[in-house]
Amino acid sequence: EVQLVESGGGLVQPGGSLRLSCEASGYTFSTYWMSWVRQAAGKGLEWVANINEDGSEKRYVDSVKGRFTISRDNAKNSLYLQMNSLRAEDTAVYYCARRGYMDVWGKGIAVTVSS
Amino acid sequence: DIVMTQSPDSLAVSLGERATINCKSSQSVLHSSSKNSLAWYQQKPGQPPKLLIYWASTRESGVPDRFSGSGSGTDFTLTISSLQAEDVAVYYCQQYYSTHTFGQGTKLEIK
Repeated sequence: EVQLVESGGGLVQPGGSLRLSCEASGYTFSTYWMSWVRQAAGKGLEWVANINEDGSEKRYVDSVKGRFTISRDNAKNSLYLQMNSLRAEDTAVYYCARRGYMDVWGKGIAVTVSS
Repeated sequence: DIVMTQSPDSLAVSLGERATINCKSSQSVLHSSSKNSLAWYQQKPGQPPKLLIYWASTRESGVPDRFSGSGSGTDFTLTISSLQAEDVAVYYCQQYYSTHTFGQGTKLEIK
């Protein structure tokens, strides 16, 4: 079964850091672009970042540039999102998703930025 | 950046009737390959989004054939031909032509 499982979320103070992970199974991870998408409570979907198959291309939404870093480890079938200088407005459920038209999604992990 | 605008924001349709959701992009998402980089998703409360349609009109495997997508360039439509109770959800369009952006969502309810 093709599956994505996020981990690493939680409560963090403004200005703090958090690293999200997404473990893939059931398919050849290294052959797909991957994305992070977030959704604040009661709000719509916002694409955050994506990364190409070998990690050489990375793109970000303007609001996280310079603060978030997307990476991947194909040997571990894992995608990461390093989030620094967190703000209250980063509070959301974060999903990892496969490819450009996102055909596989994880269940999501909650990130809360609050003092 | 490409801005995606959906209409309406909410929609109430009777069971068995047709539901139509529109999505407009601020610039064309038509590739030189003649494919439109436009997808549609369904999201139910407490669940991740589910891919329904990609390349504007290709139905994802397992999606009922009452769901269809159409359009090209900047104007797209998701149609549910005969609304079922399980179709109550929020629907999003997304462009993947230049990075990614989603529409604001359309909430579909039963009248």
